[in-house]
Amino acid sequence: DGGITQSPKYLFRKEGQNVTLSCEQNLNHDAMYWYRQDPGQGLRLIYYSQIVNDFQKGDIAEGYSVSREKKESFPLTVTSAQKNPTAFYLCASSPKGLAGRNEQFFGPGTRLTVL
Amino acid sequence: QQQVKQSPQSLIVQKGGISIINCAYENTAFDYFPWYQQFPGKGPALLIAIRPDVSEKKEGRFTISFNKSAKQFSLHIMDSQPGDSATYFCAGGTSGTYKYIFGTGTRLKVLA
Repeated sequence: DGGITQSPKYLFRKEGQNVTLSCEQNLNHDAMYWYRQDPGQGLRLIYYSQIVNDFQKGDIAEGYSVSREKKESFPLTVTSAQKNPTAFYLCASSPKGLAGRNEQFFGPGTRLTVL
Repeated sequence: QQQVKQSPQSLIVQKGGISIINCAYENTAFDYFPWYQQFPGKGPALLIAIRPDVSEKKEGRFTISFNKSAKQFSLHIMDSQPGDSATYFCAGGTSGTYKYIFGTGTRLKVLA
């Protein structure tokens, strides 16, 4: 079964703690993405990666960090520097750049709550 | 400016009616316009997409209408069903880049 998995589904953390969200895909896609979703604000891009060992900041990268050591994995760390981290986080992947039918496929999401 | 403006924010339709969601974009470099459907607590799933070389694309009950000169596109859901109740997002993207710009979403509720 091909797809994108995110874990955990729900995550709670105390203020001041870093937390890492997992994203794995077995679709053999080159590009991977992290989005943040807040009510009424749509999906905002945090980071994206086109190939292994390379990634770029999206529109709201402050307070977040990523790594891309393997093609199938793109973990996101929410650091204590992120002022308002409570949100629904979505990971996505696409086979290559936005051309042809290279649409983005989304994982099921992780809901992070800061206590 | 790269915004994609989506309206309405929420929509209530009777079963069997037509649901219409509108989007407007500013970036003329966009050449790919997908619509995503998202159920509560789930990730978005691609519903239908269009390129600006056509004015309309239909897949089952879902139709995208595209007006390049006005920089607008819309999603029409014919014979709306309660199972269509979800949040819908439009987006714009450019070939050769790796970024979509998403609209803010429309929460659709179809009454039985």
